[in-house]
Amino acid sequence: EVQLVESGGGLVQPGGSLRLSCGASGFTFSNYWMVWVRQAPGKGLVWISRLKGDGSIAHYADSVKGRFTISRDNAKNTLYLQMNSLRAEDTAVYYCGREQWGLPSYWGQGTLVTVSS
Amino acid sequence: QSVLTQPPSVSAAPGQKVTISCSGSSSNIGNNYVSWYQQLPGTAPKLLLYENNKRPSGIPDRFSGSKSGTSATLGITGLQTGDEADYYCGTWDDSLSAGVFGGGTKLTVL
Repeated sequence: EVQLVESGGGLVQPGGSLRLSCGASGFTFSNYWMVWVRQAPGKGLVWISRLKGDGSIAHYADSVKGRFTISRDNAKNTLYLQMNSLRAEDTAVYYCGREQWGLPSYWGQGTLVTVSS
Repeated sequence: QSVLTQPPSVSAAPGQKVTISCSGSSSNIGNNYVSWYQQLPGTAPKLLLYENNKRPSGIPDRFSGSKSGTSATLGITGLQTGDEADYYCGTWDDSLSAGVFGGGTKLTVL
C-alpha cells in the first residue's frame, strides 16, 4: 500500500524558512517523480513543484521559483521542500504526492504551514 | 485565477446525474491527459480519474470522464449524499512546464 506522510509544518515569521519532509513507503521510491501541491485555507489546489526519481530534473511554479527547493533522499525514501523567504501568501496545507502525468496520483494527508508574525 | 476553468458549484438531487466541466487551452488540456480529484470536507484530495477517463481501483463506475479538444468533463451518475465534495480537474501545461488545476467545483446533493 502506498503511503505518504508529510511533516515539518508549523508557524513561521514572514521572511523565515521551513523544511517540509514527506516519507514514502509501499513502492520503489526512486522510480517515481514526486510532486508538492498546496492549498490555502478555503481555496483551491495549487501545483508547486516536481522532481524526477533520480533527482536530476525539477520544475517549479513561478510563484515559488527562486525561494523553494525540492529535493529527495532515495536512500531514506524521503522527499523534501525547502522553503525560504516565506510570505503570508505561502500559508497553506502542503501535500506531497506520487506523480503521474505531472500531478499526484497518491496524496499524503498534508502539513499546515502558517506564515505570520 | 486558475489556468483551468471550472464552474464554482453544481447541484442535483440524489439519484440524478451531474456533469462538471473543465476548460483549458492547447498547451494544457489540448495536449495532455486530464485527471480529476475528489476532496471530501476536511480531507486530502483523492484521485478519481486519470488519463481522461480511467478509474483507479476502488472508484465506482458511477464516475466517468471525457475529453474533447481543450475541454474535459466529469460525470457522476446515481448521486449520493456521500458524493458531496469539491472536485478538481488538473493536467500538465507545456507552456508553463508546470502542473495546473481548475479552481474547483463544489457539488451539493440536494
